[in-house]
Amino acid sequence: AQTVTQSQPEMSVQEAETVTLSCTYDTSENNYYLFWYKQPPSRQMILVIRQEAYKQQNATENRFSVNFQKAAKSFSLKISDSQLGDTAMYFCAIGGIQGAQKLVFGQGTRLTINP
Amino acid sequence: EPEVTQTPSHQVTQMGQEVILRCVPISNHLYFYWYRQILGQKVEFLVSFYNNEISEKSEIFDDQFSVERPDGSNFTLKIRSTKLEDSAMYFCASRRGDGTDTQYFGPGTRLTVL
Repeated sequence: AQTVTQSQPEMSVQEAETVTLSCTYDTSENNYYLFWYKQPPSRQMILVIRQEAYKQQNATENRFSVNFQKAAKSFSLKISDSQLGDTAMYFCAIGGIQGAQKLVFGQGTRLTINP
Repeated sequence: EPEVTQTPSHQVTQMGQEVILRCVPISNHLYFYWYRQILGQKVEFLVSFYNNEISEKSEIFDDQFSVERPDGSNFTLKIRSTKLEDSAMYFCASRRGDGTDTQYFGPGTRLTVL
């Protein structure tokens, strides 16, 4: 079974600062996908960034980047130049590449960006 | 940009009643999912659906739940006899299935069971 752990229930930073959200996971598969989803107060789930486990290069998407450490089973999200609109719950998730490919989510980190 | 849609956005029902939550996945997607999020908790997988049949379901998805793709566009989740503990946000998701494998989520239906 796959598991995802987010050890930071809440984080708070000032606007324009850089913040890193932690995520560790466990899986017996060698190939899989990792995702960060953002859930603003509207509660919609919005994809932030994805990483294929077979790629060594860390994914980036504008101000968002990941630090993927496969051996350590770690997948942290870095948000640079944080903006007020980044305030949301952030969920880390893992998905397999075989079968139904359901996503397994972590508990989430509530991120608040202060003006 | 195509997106997953869900109706209704909020459903209030009495305990024991049947509810049907509706989803329209992205049109060229082949895999469909339902997830549940009880308030303040993490998102949990319920069921996946491919080629007109369930491909995987969780232990949450018991006999009270069923899914259906009644036509070429809708994907529904039925709860036969709702319980108080079914109160949650229900998300539909879909993915294309060609190797990109990103699941795109709908806006969710908030189900309140009284």
